[in-house]
Amino acid sequence: AQSVTQPDIHITVSEGASLELRCNYSYGATPYLFWYVQSPGQGLQLLLKYFSGDTLVQGIKGFEAEFKRSQSSFNLRKPSVHWSDAAEYFCAVGANQAGTALIFGKGTTLSVSS
Amino acid sequence: DTGVSQDPRHKITKRGQNVTFRCDPISEHNRLYWYRQTLGQGPEFLTYFQNEAQLEKSRLLSDRFSAERPKGSFSTLEIQRTEQGDSAMYLCASSPKQGARVTDTQYFGPGTRLTVL
Repeated sequence: AQSVTQPDIHITVSEGASLELRCNYSYGATPYLFWYVQSPGQGLQLLLKYFSGDTLVQGIKGFEAEFKRSQSSFNLRKPSVHWSDAAEYFCAVGANQAGTALIFGKGTTLSVSS
Repeated sequence: DTGVSQDPRHKITKRGQNVTFRCDPISEHNRLYWYRQTLGQGPEFLTYFQNEAQLEKSRLLSDRFSAERPKGSFSTLEIQRTEQGDSAMYLCASSPKQGARVTDTQYFGPGTRLTVL
């Protein structure tokens, strides 16, 4: 069965420190991978996506993610966290077809300490 | 582009009542999705429209749920005889028209938070 696992429910990082959020997926075909961020009371904002090509993808707000097929992972990174990055982060996987239903992980809540 | 909009943003209802939510997708996006998100979980797919055609429904979409997109623009999601277990955030997303073999990028609205008392 297709699934996405985000092993860390909650992470606290000091402002200015680096960040890595983990995402592992289980998918039978070539996965199409996404990271979204959700702030309290807000909808999901797309940070970045991987469809094909270069396995290191750049997104908005200084985020990047690396696709590692051998590890079935798509971890999200940021070199220096800002207080405004505090939010919930969701990893999602979809199929290469129109109208794909995204399968989301349970999310990782990021807190930023000063 | 203006983003995906949803109305209302919050809805409180009593068990057994019917509720209807509206989603307005990004202009010219022909694909529209509904998801449900409960506390501590990621969004779960409910249903998908391409233009006015409802092409896929999740098993989560019980008989009490119905969705429409009559003119291929806005969509409505109705829940009949609400139950406390229906309390959740209902998210709408839209994506632009692309080839059949191209994965969508889905853009989400702010959601409608439903509380069933």
